[in-house]
Formats: sequence, C-alpha cells, structure tokens
Amino acid sequence: ETGVTQSPTHLIKTRGQQVTLRCSSQSGHNTVSWYQQALGQGPQFIFQYYREEENGRGNFPPRFSGLQFPNYSSELNVNALELDDSALYLCASSLSGAGNTIYFGEGSWLTVV
Amino acid sequence: KQEVTQIPAALSVPEGENLVLNCSFTDSAIYNLQWFRQDPGKGLTSLLLIQSSQREQTSGRLNASLDKSSGRSTLYIAASQPGDSATYLCAVDILTGGGNKLTFGTGTQLKVEL
Repeated sequence: ETGVTQSPTHLIKTRGQQVTLRCSSQSGHNTVSWYQQALGQGPQFIFQYYREEENGRGNFPPRFSGLQFPNYSSELNVNALELDDSALYLCASSLSGAGNTIYFGEGSWLTVV
Repeated sequence: KQEVTQIPAALSVPEGENLVLNCSFTDSAIYNLQWFRQDPGKGLTSLLLIQSSQREQTSGRLNASLDKSSGRSTLYIAASQPGDSATYLCAVDILTGGGNKLTFGTGTQLKVEL
C-alpha cells in the first residue's frame, strides 16, 4: 500500500473520445508524475507536476495534458483518443528533488476501441 | 537520448537458486538508478535506489550494484522464492529539471518454480 490512489481502475473508450484519469498523491508529496505503460513495455514518462506547474514533459503530443491541484492531487487528460493510447497509466508521487523514493499507484487501464 | 536495456527479457529458475538480472544504460551521466518490482496488472514497488556516487545497495536478499562508467547495473537475488515471481524493472534518473523523471528498461519477467 503506497498511499497513491488512482481512478478509475479500468475503462473503455472509443477512438476520438476524451478521457480524464485521476490521482491522489501520498500525503505530503508535492510532486506527481505520470507514465504510460504499453503491454510488455517499460513505463514511458509523460510529464511531471510540481506545485501546480508542469515541470518537465516526455515525448508525448499536446493532446496529453494535466493538472495539479492545491492539495497535490492530479489529473491526466487525453483528447482525441487513438488506438495506440491503450495502456496502463501510472501515477507516481514523491517529494521534490532527485533521490527521494517514488511511490506508484496501481494504475488505470485504458482500452481504446 | 538515454536508452535502458534489460537482459534477459524472461527468466525461469527453480526455487532456491541465486540469480542475477542485468541492466545497461547508454548515457553514464545519471543521478541515480532504481530497481522496481511489478506484479501482473499492478503498479510498481521501489526495491532499491543507488545514487551515482554509490557502488551498491542491499535490502534483505536483494543486492544491487552500479558501475556508472560502464553503464551497467545488476540486481542479485539470493535464495529465490516463488513469491519473487514478478517483472523487475530498472530505471535511471538524469536529473533534468529537478529529478524523478525516470527512463525505464523493458523489464525482466522472472518466474521462480517450486
């Protein structure tokens, strides 16, 4: 039990639709990162939020966007869904600064049909 | 661009065997390297974190080593048990913009048989 909770756990969307995934970080953690993990692959860094500002982004198009709220919880939004967006989306929380332990949630499984 | 490779992709061993998982990375300018465990359909659990200035870290039956100059890390699991069956992922942090932006390998899927 990491204290990082994600919702929903599973969902199915149609190509072209939009989806919002949610994450509650561990208490006191001010940094939230999102990763996409396709089947059989390692997680790929999408972006990171620190104190409600985007603090780094991986190689993902602008239709992937996010928010962080004053309580440090976060949302990942994906517009114009494509079949290749089908994956496990992982949220990770930590204190700011490298070297601090990162805690992952159980993930949200997204299937795009 | 940092690339992380893990060998082997899959491994099956009998219970009680000692084993080594390998991880290599292309850019040695890393801040730290971490090993994670992932059970099927689940999130990741941090096992060990090695800072770039360290050579190894130990936790129970697990020992991770880091050779930054050669771009390699190994995870040693002693006296393997069926409960160790999972996918093991290594990840490096190159300290861009404050850190904790990890580049992962594709993992080694381990099965420990009775």
